[in-house]
Amino acid sequence: ELKVEQNPLFLSMQEGKNYTIYCNYSTTSDRLYWYRQDPGKSLESLFVLLSNGAVKQEGRLMASLDTKARLSTLHITAAVHDLSATYFCAYRSSSARQLTFGSGTQLTVLP
Amino acid sequence: GAGVSQSPRYKVAKRGQDVALRCDPISGHVSLFWYQQALGQGPEFLTYFQNEAQLDKSGLPSDRFFAERPEGSVSTLKIQRTQQEDSAVYLCASSLTSGGTYEQYFGPGTRLTVT
Repeated sequence: ELKVEQNPLFLSMQEGKNYTIYCNYSTTSDRLYWYRQDPGKSLESLFVLLSNGAVKQEGRLMASLDTKARLSTLHITAAVHDLSATYFCAYRSSSARQLTFGSGTQLTVLP
Repeated sequence: GAGVSQSPRYKVAKRGQDVALRCDPISGHVSLFWYQQALGQGPEFLTYFQNEAQLDKSGLPSDRFFAERPEGSVSTLKIQRTQQEDSAVYLCASSLTSGGTYEQYFGPGTRLTVT
């Protein structure tokens, strides 16, 4: 069974702090994706990671991929309130076209 | 440019009614996906089209769910005899098929409430 496990599921952090969200997946993947979802909104693509060791950064967010460990991380640096949202990781297995999503991490950044 | 659009944005149906949800993908995107997102969960795959061909419908939860994309562009997800457990947000996504990232672009979703 294809599975994606994210942790933590809920995260409250103060502005200015750093934290990491972890995403473990169960099988060989050739693509790993991070999405952001605001309440009542659709999914906004943040990062696409294509190969082992890939690292991408945008503003205060940095994503990385370790295909050997089947682990991706989303690191938040010096959090600000605008980052409050739910973050999903998803992977596309080598044998399927669809994405398999984790349960999401609901991030709340407190002043 | 225009993204993926879906209509209606909200739908309330009485149990037993049939509903039809529409998706307009990004122009030129060959692949189209439907996902179901329950409250507080990640999206779950329902079905996938490449052009007009439905290549994978393994995620459809029952034979009450039916999807089509007759001309390889607009797609409709139909749910017959709706049940309360069908209440969810239905997301449509489209992507290019060949090469690159296979990134999927999502529409705003249709929130279905079955009463």
